[in-house]
Amino acid sequence: TQLLEQSPQFLSIQEGENLTVYCNSSSVFSSLQWYRQEPGEGPVLLVTVVTGGEVKKLKRLTFQFGDARKDSSLHITAAQPGDTGLYLCAGYNFNKFYFGSGTKLNVKP
Amino acid sequence: NAGVTQTPKFRILKIGQSMTLQCTQDMNHNYMYWYRQDPGMGLKLIYYSVGAGITDKGEVPNGYNVSRSTTEDFPLRLELAAPSQTSVYFCASSYLLLGTGEEGYTFGSGTRLTVV
Repeated sequence: TQLLEQSPQFLSIQEGENLTVYCNSSSVFSSLQWYRQEPGEGPVLLVTVVTGGEVKKLKRLTFQFGDARKDSSLHITAAQPGDTGLYLCAGYNFNKFYFGSGTKLNVKP
Repeated sequence: NAGVTQTPKFRILKIGQSMTLQCTQDMNHNYMYWYRQDPGMGLKLIYYSVGAGITDKGEVPNGYNVSRSTTEDFPLRLELAAPSQTSVYFCASSYLLLGTGEEGYTFGSGTRLTVV
């Protein structure tokens, strides 16, 4: 059973466009993390959100945790080719982190 | 710092063969984890360890074994390889018990295993 659903699965956009990817669940999580994974490498932590409604910014990336702590979104402003990668969300519950299957983003120059 | 180092990067095994995936970290992290990543399925926890001499099962432990004799090393053993074990395997570590703060995993770069 996939606890976390990420959408879209694939996204291909031009440099300079804005985009939002989503991470949804019917479960409540005590915290949620976002990772970026490049081909041939392991995931790298971008951010952790712990409070319902929390918004965190990391340069052009904005992360939001839903009020009910069941969902999260990642918004990228003015995407660049360096943003290309697989974006994974991971929710903490029942003493474990559960990973979504990811959104594969391709930003074309 | 090297972080988390995994070897080998690639391996092809025949059905029924055995192998050990090596993982070592130089950050003095107490907690170490093994995940497998299959296309479209996300990362699944195989085993984890909270310290030397202590290991526990994750979501998908069948067909695997682990040991943790030192803080630095956490090898994953496949005894009788099966095609269902074709995957990319990631080792990870953390200083704190995850979920108790804002720390995340530090992942290695992975081992791509194909069983034929």
